[in-house]
Parts: sequence; structure tokens; C-alpha cells
Amino acid sequence: TQLLEQSPQFLSIQEGENLTVYCNSSSVFSSLQWYRQEPGEGPVLLVTVVTGGEVKKLKRLTFQFGDARKDSSLHITAAQPGDTGLYLCAGYYNNAGNMLTFGGGTRLMVKP
Amino acid sequence: ETGVTQSPTHLIKTRGQQVTLRCSSQSGHNTVSWYQQALGQGPQFIFQYYREEENGRGNFPPRFSGLQFPNYSSELNVNALELDDSALYLCASSWGGNRPGELFFGEGSRLTVL
Repeated sequence: TQLLEQSPQFLSIQEGENLTVYCNSSSVFSSLQWYRQEPGEGPVLLVTVVTGGEVKKLKRLTFQFGDARKDSSLHITAAQPGDTGLYLCAGYYNNAGNMLTFGGGTRLMVKP
Repeated sequence: ETGVTQSPTHLIKTRGQQVTLRCSSQSGHNTVSWYQQALGQGPQFIFQYYREEENGRGNFPPRFSGLQFPNYSSELNVNALELDDSALYLCASSWGGNRPGELFFGEGSRLTVL
């Protein structure tokens, strides 16, 4: 069983602060995705990274894929209350073609 | 709005009963994946249906079964319900079966087993 670990599990910060969420695995991903899920809704895709070392930016969110394609990070600059939610990383492993494996999630609360 | 609809949104069952959850995929998508999300955890892959055939299965017992219909909508059936089956069941539609891509999730069906 491939495990995908996220840290921290919970994060409570003030508006305007920066934060980083980490996603780690012992196995190589063929691609990795980050989702955001709000209460009562399904996860919504934020980004897909495919190439080792890849960096993608989405407004105040910066996503980085590790060189070895075993880890990823999500950095949020100047967090806002609207960023509150559950952030999930999910990866496709080379030997598990169509099965998307999710991490346990990071629950972020941004206080005004 | 992802265009993926699930029903029912909430339901309560007792141990030993059976449940059927339904999912209508986004227009143009031929693949449906089902996930179980326990409270406070990330989604766990149950199985995927592609062109009406099961196309991959996670670590779930045979009492979890499914169907996909010619219009690509899908059902998830769970027999002999156990307390640990209480969870949010998510359906995700996509295009392409074995080619990983973006999944579009519905809002889920929240099952409580008493």
C-alpha cells in the first residue's frame, strides 16, 4: 500500500500570514495534484504537476514538485479567510495507473 | 458547479442493511470513480468504471460493488452495512479511463450507519 503523508494536519493562522503545506511519499509519482475541499462539497482541482522540480503559481498559491517526484509543497502568501478549507494532495503512482491516491489532508483556518 | 450530481445527499441506515448511491457524470465524460471519505480523512479509492466495465479497484471488500450504465451514470452498492461504512461517498467523473487526468467531483452522499 502506498502512503501519501501530509503535514501539518491542522493549521490555524491570522489573515496576512504565509504558510506551507507538505506532501510526502516513499514512492515516485507519475503526476501529483492538489485539491481544495470546502464543507459539504467535493474536492476541486487546483493544480497538476508532472515534471520533477516543476513550480506552478496560481495567484497567491505556489506549488512545487520535488526533483525526485516523491514530494510536493503548497505555499500560500498573505492568507485570506477565503483560503479556509481542506487542502488535499493526491498522486498517480507509476504502478497504479488510474487509481488516484489521496493524502489525509491539511485543514486550514484563516482568521480575520 | 462540476456537472456531477449525486443522490441522495444524506441517508441513515442500520447495520446489515444495503444501500445504493447514484451518480450522474459530467456531460462528455466516460469514466466514473468512487471514493470513500471518512470524517477527518482524505478520500480512499473504491473503484473506477470505464465504458461500463470495472477498471481498477482499491482495498475494499466485495460487498462494495458498482455499475455503470450506457449513459455513463453509475451506482455504488454496499451490502451488509457496518458501522465503519459511515462516511462521505464521493463520485468523480473524468475522460479517458486509464489516462490520469482531472477528476470532477460531486458533492457526495453522506451515509450514516447506526
